[in-house]
Amino acid sequence: GAGVSQSPSNKVTEKGKDVELRCDPISGHTALYWYRQSLGQGLEFLIYFQGNSAPDKSGLPSDRFSAERTGGSVSTLTIQRTQQEDSAVYLCASSLLGLASYNEQFFGPGTRLTVL
Amino acid sequence: KQEVTQIPAALSVPEGENLVLNCSFTDSAIYNLQWFRQDPGKGLTSLLLIQSSQREQTSGRLNASLDKSSGRSTLYIAASQPGDSATYLCAVESQAGTALIFGKGTTLSVSS
Repeated sequence: GAGVSQSPSNKVTEKGKDVELRCDPISGHTALYWYRQSLGQGLEFLIYFQGNSAPDKSGLPSDRFSAERTGGSVSTLTIQRTQQEDSAVYLCASSLLGLASYNEQFFGPGTRLTVL
Repeated sequence: KQEVTQIPAALSVPEGENLVLNCSFTDSAIYNLQWFRQDPGKGLTSLLLIQSSQREQTSGRLNASLDKSSGRSTLYIAASQPGDSATYLCAVESQAGTALIFGKGTTLSVSS
């Protein structure tokens, strides 16, 4: 079946603008994660959604970052008033949290964000 | 706080060699450990997942081991090929349903 998809694949924006990044998880996956991969920093967790529970926002770097997940499926990560340090690849992952899957996470291709 | 370290940061080998990539983690109380592959400009491809109760997993030429008590995992690649050239990432999940904590990866180059 289809894997995790993300759009756009590339986004170039000017400092101060808002951007929205989209993630379509694997159908039926209950858990959805956003990560960020910056040059030299490695992969860092941003936010996690599981079913109807309140999201775990502990990884969001500032209040300019927010995310929502509508209908338990598609998720949008919004960055307001972008800064140059927000430039990174934003990766989305989904998983079927449960004993059978042991929460194996499957990643999308990422969105490369460049803030000029 | 869980920290994941991968050594070496980069590795170059000739085609056909067997090789081992190392991953260590500071807190042995983990739920699972995943090895990923990342090609330049691409997302992550899951290679192997080892449950906390398991010692190893195998897929084709890949074998991953887990020693929770010592906080170590290894990824063994047999008979390496140029197509294996990529960055290999190790990640641990400390509790079920929590985020993965990643190492910084080992960039492998296999020359023909």
